Amino acid sequence: NAGVTQTPKFQVLKTGQSMTLQCAQDMNHNSMYWYRQDPGMGLRLIYYSASEGTTDKGEVPNGYNVSRLNKREFSLRLESAAPSQTSVYFCASSEALRPYGYTFGSGTRLTVV
Amino acid sequence: DQQVKQNSPSLSVQEGRISILNCDYTNSMFDYFLWYKKYPAEGPTFLISISSIKDKNEDGRFTVFLNKSAKHLSLHIVPSQPGDSAVYFCAATTRGGSEKLVFGKGMKLTVNP
Repeated sequence: NAGVTQTPKFQVLKTGQSMTLQCAQDMNHNSMYWYRQDPGMGLRLIYYSASEGTTDKGEVPNGYNVSRLNKREFSLRLESAAPSQTSVYFCASSEALRPYGYTFGSGTRLTVV
Repeated sequence: DQQVKQNSPSLSVQEGRISILNCDYTNSMFDYFLWYKKYPAEGPTFLISISSIKDKNEDGRFTVFLNKSAKHLSLHIVPSQPGDSAVYFCAATTRGGSEKLVFGKGMKLTVNP
């Protein structure tokens, strides 16, 4: 089982460029999430999708858009990248939070210069 | 306003000794708590969880204690091993409502041989 797969693993963007981070899960989970991890800030929720066809904002949605393409895939788009978006991005999925919570992908390290 | 707090950013212990990681929360609606472990360049992985109807849950070397009156939980690792060196995140979720986890900022544990 691959679990949650994120692509790419690393990316360097110039300010103003756009890109899409891809996430796919093969566990038939209903819910999917995008988090960013920054030093001293922990994991902050950007967007989530409780089920196919729905998306909702999290704690830090500004500058991002998402698409729940189907049950397996949940993409995160940066329309005009800014240096403040330099971070490690994690996608996660879950069927129910009890007892195991989320299954995370291995992350995408994004640098915006 | 941070609902889940891990006030100590780091902890260093000797191999074989006990590691105690603390977590405080402010939201009295939280009813389920989880600990995740994260190695560098990997996504967080589930470690152990506890429901608010319990005050202790044990899994091998890992025990989580919950003190609801103090809104405090702790993760004990006994005995600590060098392979336990990682960042540990505390997370919580509420009864009912949307299926999301709220994370603390994380604590870096270093176990010295």
